[in-house]
Amino acid sequence: NAGVTQTPKFQVLKTGQSMTLQCAQDMNHEYMSWYRQDPGMGLRLIHYSVGAGITDQGEVPNGYNVSRSTTEDFPLRLLSAAPSQTSVYFCASSGTGGNYGYTFGSGTRLTVV
Amino acid sequence: KNEVEQSPQNLTAQEGEFITINCSYSVGISALHWLQQHPGGGIVSLFMLSSGKKKHGRLIATINIQEKHSSLHITASHPRDSAVYICAAQDRGGSEKLVFGKGMKLTVNP
Repeated sequence: NAGVTQTPKFQVLKTGQSMTLQCAQDMNHEYMSWYRQDPGMGLRLIHYSVGAGITDQGEVPNGYNVSRSTTEDFPLRLLSAAPSQTSVYFCASSGTGGNYGYTFGSGTRLTVV
Repeated sequence: KNEVEQSPQNLTAQEGEFITINCSYSVGISALHWLQQHPGGGIVSLFMLSSGKKKHGRLIATINIQEKHSSLHITASHPRDSAVYICAAQDRGGSEKLVFGKGMKLTVNP
């Protein structure tokens, strides 16, 4: 099992550019989520999904879009990158029902200049 | 006010010491997670617990639901335990959402 695969690992964008961060899991987990991690702050939830076709906003959703067309994939789209979106992004997945741990991707370090 | 608080924020220990990391939460939870993040690295799940105590190798996690408090203990600490330890409370409403503490940076010197 590969677990949660997140790509790319590093990315530099210019302000105003768009891009998609990819996240795929092979554990048949229903729950998937995206977080950003900034210095001095805990991980913050951007968007999450409880199953294919279902997504919802987290704590800091502005400037990001998601979709969940399959159980396996949960891409995060930056529509028009801003320097405030410079961060480390993590994707995670979990089974549902309250009895499953989380599996995290290896992270994407994004710099917006 | 943060819903999940960790203490201390930083800790330096000598190899072999017994270490305790604390986590307090103010929200209703279905489970409490302990995560580990090495410098520049990814995040690894250590424990998920909803009651009592769990043990894995030199790591022990406990939770007191009534007091809304959890502890992570490391016995016979080693330099490879140096990492950031993150506590996260899982939403009780069934959404699986996590609320994270800011993490505690542990440095174990040889």
